[in-house]
Amino acid sequence: GAVVSQHPSWVICKSGTSVKIECRSLDFQATTMFWYRQFPKQSLMLMATSNEGSKATYEQGVEKDKFLINHASLTLSTLTVTSAHPEDSSFYICSAPAGGTKETQYFGPGTRLLVL
Amino acid sequence: AQSVSQHNHHVILSEAASLELGCNYSYGGTVNLFWYVQYPGQHLQLLLKYFSGDPLVKGIKGFEAEFIKSKFSFNLRKPSVQWSDTAEYFCAVLRGNNDMRFGAGTRLTVKP
Repeated sequence: GAVVSQHPSWVICKSGTSVKIECRSLDFQATTMFWYRQFPKQSLMLMATSNEGSKATYEQGVEKDKFLINHASLTLSTLTVTSAHPEDSSFYICSAPAGGTKETQYFGPGTRLLVL
Repeated sequence: AQSVSQHNHHVILSEAASLELGCNYSYGGTVNLFWYVQYPGQHLQLLLKYFSGDPLVKGIKGFEAEFIKSKFSFNLRKPSVQWSDTAEYFCAVLRGNNDMRFGAGTRLTVKP
């Protein structure tokens, strides 16, 4: 099946720094990718839809300036957590639909962020 | 608020026991329904999905789910679980083009 990778798999940073997370579709092209956030023992919450060549679409309550998304190519989307604070510590997961069907999502392995 | 509800947070079963995980959603209109599984240390994988047609859907690894429209439910079942089924299970609802919402997940522990 299709593969989506994320890098890094985990990151620890100091409060106030920015962290970039990459999401790549390894064997298919994705004009759209999705970024989710998962708190412990909670559901995946959709943060934003990343669109190749255009602005991302953010869900209500997600700060655009806080979570910068760039979809520079058909295989890469990046999420940058700017001026990270401890409350941003979470598990961030990306997904991409493969085969042109929105219903078939392939998920990355996730990136665990810990902000000290 | 509209949501996807998974009733059980943690289910513990012995091998060979039957499994049923509940999932209810509160969205109206046409929806597509999914069950995903996340094995320890791995990414989410699709177990099965329902778009239309037969409301009883067969998935991988012996799992099945039944869509009951009148109950807004899409429960996951397996007649006989194995130790290797230990994982986190997520129900998800897709509305429209890209609006996918997940339940909180149910952790299944199967004792050998």
